[in-house]
Amino acid sequence: DTGVSQDPRHKITKRGQNVTFRCDPISEHNRLYWYRQTLGQGPEFLTYFQNEAQLEKSRLLSDRFSAERPKGSFSTLEIQRTEQGDSAMYLCASSLGLVETYEQYFGPGTRLTVT
Amino acid sequence: GESVGLHLPTLSVQEGDNSIINCAYSNSASDYFIWYKQESGKGPQFIIDIRSNMDKRQGQRVTVLLNKTVKHLSLQIAATQPGDSAVYFCAENNNTGGFKTIFGAGTRLFVKA
Repeated sequence: DTGVSQDPRHKITKRGQNVTFRCDPISEHNRLYWYRQTLGQGPEFLTYFQNEAQLEKSRLLSDRFSAERPKGSFSTLEIQRTEQGDSAMYLCASSLGLVETYEQYFGPGTRLTVT
Repeated sequence: GESVGLHLPTLSVQEGDNSIINCAYSNSASDYFIWYKQESGKGPQFIIDIRSNMDKRQGQRVTVLLNKTVKHLSLQIAATQPGDSAVYFCAENNNTGGFKTIFGAGTRLFVKA
């Protein structure tokens, strides 16, 4: 257990529905990241927060995706009008934000299945 | 463009032997590299990192080697144990990329008892 939690662990939804995932990072970490991982592939960067500010977004993050970190603590990732191609593991990670290291602590992920 | 890839998708080693997992990267601006281990059903776990001003770094039973000339890094695991069975990812960061981490596709390590 890294100290990063994600909820839910699994989500099955029908195409066209909206889903929201939550990530609770390690409390003293000011940086939070979202990644998407499909089977047999490495995690793909989606977005990154420093405190409550969303500083970077990947081109993978279409208009249907939105992420928030309202109080600089937990974060939510919402996918609107889900498509079958959205089926993947969604990983959250956090880090202290030290210059010396980019080490990130990952949560267990939320596995999304869109039927 | 940016890409981090691995030479072999799977690696099978005998328990007690040393393992070497290789990785190639293409972004010469990358200045920081990380190896992560991912076990089934879990998120990636940090193993070891190395900055581009170094060519070798050692941890507990693990060593990372960086060859900037050929844009290659490797992870060496000494005395491989069954608990080392997992997928291993190399990843890179660079200052111009902010804190975006680019992961490779991964190598699955099987340890035979």
